Amino acid sequence: AQTVTQSQPEMSVQEAETVTLSCTYDTSENNYYLFWYKQPPSRQMILVIRQEAYKQQNATENRFSVNFQKAAKSFSLKISDSQLGDTAMYFCAFISPPRDDKIIFGKGTRLHILP
Amino acid sequence: DAGVIQSPRHEVTEMGQEVTLRCKPISGHDYLFWYRQTMMRGLELLIYFNNNVPIDDSGMPEDRFSAKMPNASFSTLKIQPSEPRDSAVYFCASSLWRGVDSYNEQFFGPGTRLTVL
Repeated sequence: AQTVTQSQPEMSVQEAETVTLSCTYDTSENNYYLFWYKQPPSRQMILVIRQEAYKQQNATENRFSVNFQKAAKSFSLKISDSQLGDTAMYFCAFISPPRDDKIIFGKGTRLHILP
Repeated sequence: DAGVIQSPRHEVTEMGQEVTLRCKPISGHDYLFWYRQTMMRGLELLIYFNNNVPIDDSGMPEDRFSAKMPNASFSTLKIQPSEPRDSAVYFCASSLWRGVDSYNEQFFGPGTRLTVL
Protein backbone atom coordinates (compact mmCIF):
# COMPACT_ATOMS: atom_id res chain seq x y z
CA ALA A 1 0.00 0.00 0.00
CA GLN A 2 1.16 3.51 -0.74
CA THR A 3 1.68 5.62 2.34
CA VAL A 4 2.76 9.12 3.29
CA THR A 5 4.44 9.73 6.65
CA GLN A 6 5.00 13.03 8.38
CA SER A 7 7.07 12.37 11.46
CA GLN A 8 6.74 15.81 13.06
CA PRO A 9 3.26 16.34 14.52
CA GLU A 10 4.07 19.88 15.65
CA MET A 11 6.86 22.45 15.28
CA SER A 12 7.56 25.98 16.40
CA VAL A 13 10.06 28.49 15.03
CA GLN A 14 10.74 32.17 15.43
CA GLU A 15 9.63 34.58 12.76
CA ALA A 16 12.22 35.09 9.99
CA GLU A 17 13.86 31.73 10.66
CA THR A 18 14.03 28.90 8.16
CA VAL A 19 12.10 25.72 8.93
CA THR A 20 12.04 22.32 7.26
CA LEU A 21 9.08 19.94 7.41
CA SER A 22 9.76 16.28 6.75
CA CYS A 23 7.81 13.85 4.63
CA THR A 24 8.55 10.34 3.48
CA TYR A 25 6.45 8.13 1.28
CA ASP A 26 6.34 4.56 0.17
CA THR A 27 5.50 3.44 -3.34
CA SER A 28 6.62 0.99 -5.97
CA GLU A 29 5.53 3.30 -8.76
CA ASN A 30 7.97 5.28 -10.84
CA ASN A 31 5.61 7.99 -12.03
CA TYR A 32 3.94 10.08 -9.35
CA TYR A 33 3.38 13.56 -8.05
CA LEU A 34 3.98 15.03 -4.63
CA PHE A 35 2.33 18.02 -3.01
CA TRP A 36 2.43 20.18 0.06
CA TYR A 37 -0.89 21.64 1.15
CA LYS A 38 -1.28 24.38 3.75
CA GLN A 39 -4.28 24.63 6.03
CA PRO A 40 -4.31 27.91 7.99
CA PRO A 41 -6.69 28.55 10.90
CA SER A 42 -9.34 29.52 8.36
CA ARG A 43 -9.43 25.78 7.45
CA GLN A 44 -9.08 26.44 3.73
CA MET A 45 -6.74 23.90 2.11
CA ILE A 46 -4.28 25.62 -0.18
CA LEU A 47 -1.79 23.99 -2.51
CA VAL A 48 1.65 25.38 -1.69
CA ILE A 49 3.95 23.50 -4.02
CA ARG A 50 4.08 20.39 -6.18
CA GLN A 51 6.78 18.17 -7.59
CA GLU A 52 6.76 15.76 -10.50
CA ALA A 53 8.74 12.61 -9.74
CA TYR A 54 10.35 12.58 -13.18
CA LYS A 55 11.87 16.01 -12.58
CA GLN A 56 15.19 16.06 -10.81
CA GLN A 57 15.09 19.78 -10.17
CA ASN A 58 13.52 20.72 -6.86
CA ALA A 59 10.39 22.85 -7.10
CA THR A 60 10.37 26.36 -5.64
CA GLU A 61 7.60 28.87 -5.06
CA ASN A 62 8.90 32.12 -3.60
CA ARG A 63 9.90 31.35 0.02
CA PHE A 64 8.83 27.72 -0.29
CA SER A 65 11.07 25.04 -1.72
CA VAL A 66 11.30 21.30 -1.56
CA ASN A 67 14.13 18.82 -1.21
CA PHE A 68 13.04 15.86 -3.30
CA GLN A 69 15.15 12.74 -2.82
CA LYS A 70 13.58 10.10 -5.04
CA ALA A 71 15.84 7.24 -4.04
CA ALA A 72 15.23 7.92 -0.38
CA LYS A 73 11.52 8.59 -1.01
CA SER A 74 11.79 11.83 0.85
CA PHE A 75 10.01 15.10 0.11
CA SER A 76 10.73 17.83 2.64
CA LEU A 77 9.39 21.39 2.57
CA LYS A 78 11.61 24.32 3.42
CA ILE A 79 10.11 27.66 4.36
CA SER A 80 12.61 30.51 4.28
CA ASP A 81 12.20 33.80 6.13
CA SER A 82 9.13 32.43 7.89
CA GLN A 83 6.25 34.79 8.51
CA LEU A 84 3.41 34.81 11.02
CA GLY A 85 1.03 34.01 8.17
CA ASP A 86 2.83 30.73 7.64
CA THR A 87 1.29 29.41 10.85
CA ALA A 88 -0.81 26.48 9.68
CA MET A 89 -1.16 22.75 9.38
CA TYR A 90 0.91 21.40 6.49
CA PHE A 91 0.00 18.21 4.69
CA CYS A 92 2.28 16.22 2.46
CA ALA A 93 0.39 14.36 -0.27
CA PHE A 94 1.00 11.88 -3.08
CA ILE A 95 -0.76 10.69 -6.20
CA SER A 96 0.32 8.06 -8.69
CA PRO A 97 -1.74 8.00 -11.88
CA PRO A 98 -2.95 5.87 -13.55
CA ARG A 99 -2.85 3.43 -10.67
CA ASP A 100 -4.51 5.95 -8.36
CA ASP A 101 -6.89 8.74 -9.10
CA LYS A 102 -7.07 9.91 -5.51
CA ILE A 103 -4.50 11.76 -3.43
CA ILE A 104 -3.02 10.14 -0.35
CA PHE A 105 -2.42 12.59 2.49
CA GLY A 106 -0.06 12.44 5.44
CA LYS A 107 -1.28 13.15 8.97
CA GLY A 108 0.00 16.71 8.86
CA THR A 109 2.50 18.88 10.74
CA ARG A 110 1.20 21.78 12.78
CA LEU A 111 3.60 24.70 12.37
CA HIS A 112 3.65 27.69 14.71
CA ILE A 113 5.55 30.81 13.73
CA LEU A 114 6.37 32.77 16.87
CA PRO A 115 6.71 36.58 16.90
CA ASP B 1 -14.63 30.63 -11.07
CA ALA B 2 -15.98 30.69 -7.52
CA GLY B 3 -14.12 27.58 -6.48
CA VAL B 4 -15.66 24.66 -4.66
CA ILE B 5 -18.72 25.76 -2.72
CA GLN B 6 -19.93 24.02 0.40
CA SER B 7 -22.99 24.66 2.50
CA PRO B 8 -23.66 25.15 5.26
CA ARG B 9 -20.37 26.44 6.69
CA HIS B 10 -21.46 25.50 10.19
CA GLU B 11 -24.06 23.03 11.35
CA VAL B 12 -25.12 22.31 14.91
CA THR B 13 -27.61 19.55 15.43
CA GLU B 14 -28.80 17.15 18.05
CA MET B 15 -28.03 13.49 18.19
CA GLY B 16 -30.42 11.45 16.09
CA GLN B 17 -31.17 14.18 13.59
CA GLU B 18 -30.51 13.91 9.90
CA VAL B 19 -27.73 16.10 8.54
CA THR B 20 -27.18 16.96 4.88
CA LEU B 21 -24.00 18.60 3.67
CA ARG B 22 -23.85 20.07 0.19
CA CYS B 23 -21.12 20.62 -2.33
CA LYS B 24 -20.86 22.32 -5.70
CA PRO B 25 -17.62 21.40 -7.49
CA ILE B 26 -15.73 23.62 -9.87
CA SER B 27 -17.43 23.65 -13.22
CA GLY B 28 -15.91 21.15 -15.63
CA HIS B 29 -14.25 19.05 -12.96
CA ASP B 30 -14.94 15.35 -13.27
CA TYR B 31 -13.82 14.15 -9.85
CA LEU B 32 -15.42 14.95 -6.52
CA PHE B 33 -14.10 13.90 -3.13
CA TRP B 34 -15.57 14.00 0.37
CA TYR B 35 -13.18 14.15 3.34
CA ARG B 36 -13.62 14.25 7.07
CA GLN B 37 -11.10 15.93 9.35
CA THR B 38 -10.81 15.37 13.09
CA MET B 39 -8.03 15.91 15.57
CA MET B 40 -7.81 12.21 16.28
CA ARG B 41 -7.86 10.81 12.75
CA GLY B 42 -6.63 13.70 10.66
CA LEU B 43 -7.90 13.97 7.09
CA GLU B 44 -9.85 10.91 5.95
CA LEU B 45 -11.18 10.26 2.48
CA LEU B 46 -14.79 9.11 2.79
CA ILE B 47 -15.88 8.65 -0.80
CA TYR B 48 -15.12 9.93 -4.26
CA PHE B 49 -16.95 10.16 -7.56
CA ASN B 50 -15.85 10.21 -11.16
CA ASN B 51 -18.35 11.60 -13.66
CA ASN B 52 -21.05 11.39 -10.98
CA VAL B 53 -20.41 7.69 -10.33
CA PRO B 54 -19.13 6.58 -6.89
CA ILE B 55 -15.75 4.94 -7.37
CA ASP B 56 -14.62 4.15 -3.86
CA ASP B 57 -16.73 4.41 -0.73
CA SER B 58 -14.53 2.28 1.48
CA GLY B 59 -13.86 5.26 3.71
CA MET B 60 -17.50 5.76 4.64
CA PRO B 61 -17.61 4.94 8.35
CA GLU B 62 -20.91 3.08 8.46
CA ASP B 63 -24.35 2.80 6.97
CA ARG B 64 -25.47 5.99 8.62
CA PHE B 65 -23.40 7.84 6.01
CA SER B 66 -24.49 8.13 2.41
CA ALA B 67 -23.40 10.30 -0.50
CA LYS B 68 -24.95 11.11 -3.82
CA MET B 69 -24.01 13.01 -6.91
CA PRO B 70 -27.15 13.44 -9.01
CA ASN B 71 -25.40 15.64 -11.55
CA ALA B 72 -22.01 17.11 -12.35
CA SER B 73 -22.61 20.26 -10.35
CA PHE B 74 -23.98 18.96 -7.07
CA SER B 75 -23.25 16.39 -4.39
CA THR B 76 -24.60 15.65 -0.94
CA LEU B 77 -23.27 13.83 2.07
CA LYS B 78 -25.98 12.69 4.43
CA ILE B 79 -25.71 11.38 7.97
CA GLN B 80 -28.81 9.71 9.39
CA PRO B 81 -29.04 9.43 12.32
CA SER B 82 -26.22 11.69 13.46
CA GLU B 83 -24.13 10.93 16.55
CA PRO B 84 -21.76 13.11 18.63
CA ARG B 85 -18.75 11.21 17.25
CA ASP B 86 -19.65 12.50 13.79
CA SER B 87 -18.61 15.98 14.89
CA ALA B 88 -15.85 17.04 12.51
CA VAL B 89 -15.04 19.30 9.61
CA TYR B 90 -16.22 17.86 6.32
CA PHE B 91 -14.46 18.93 3.16
CA CYS B 92 -15.46 18.58 -0.43
CA ALA B 93 -12.81 18.75 -3.15
CA SER B 94 -12.89 18.51 -6.91
CA SER B 95 -10.35 17.91 -9.64
CA LEU B 96 -10.07 17.57 -13.37
CA TRP B 97 -8.38 14.47 -14.70
CA ARG B 98 -5.80 15.66 -17.17
CA GLY B 99 -4.21 12.31 -17.77
CA VAL B 100 -1.41 10.25 -16.34
CA ASP B 101 1.17 12.87 -17.15
CA SER B 102 -0.54 15.53 -15.11
CA TYR B 103 -0.63 16.26 -11.40
CA ASN B 104 -4.45 16.40 -11.25
CA GLU B 105 -4.56 18.95 -8.43
CA GLN B 106 -7.46 18.83 -6.01
CA PHE B 107 -9.23 22.05 -5.10
CA PHE B 108 -10.87 22.13 -1.71
CA GLY B 109 -13.98 23.86 -0.49
CA PRO B 110 -14.00 25.82 2.77
CA GLY B 111 -15.42 22.91 4.74
CA THR B 112 -18.50 22.42 6.90
CA ARG B 113 -17.95 22.31 10.64
CA LEU B 114 -20.48 19.85 12.03
CA THR B 115 -21.27 19.68 15.73
CA VAL B 116 -23.60 16.97 16.96
CA LEU B 117 -24.78 17.53 20.53
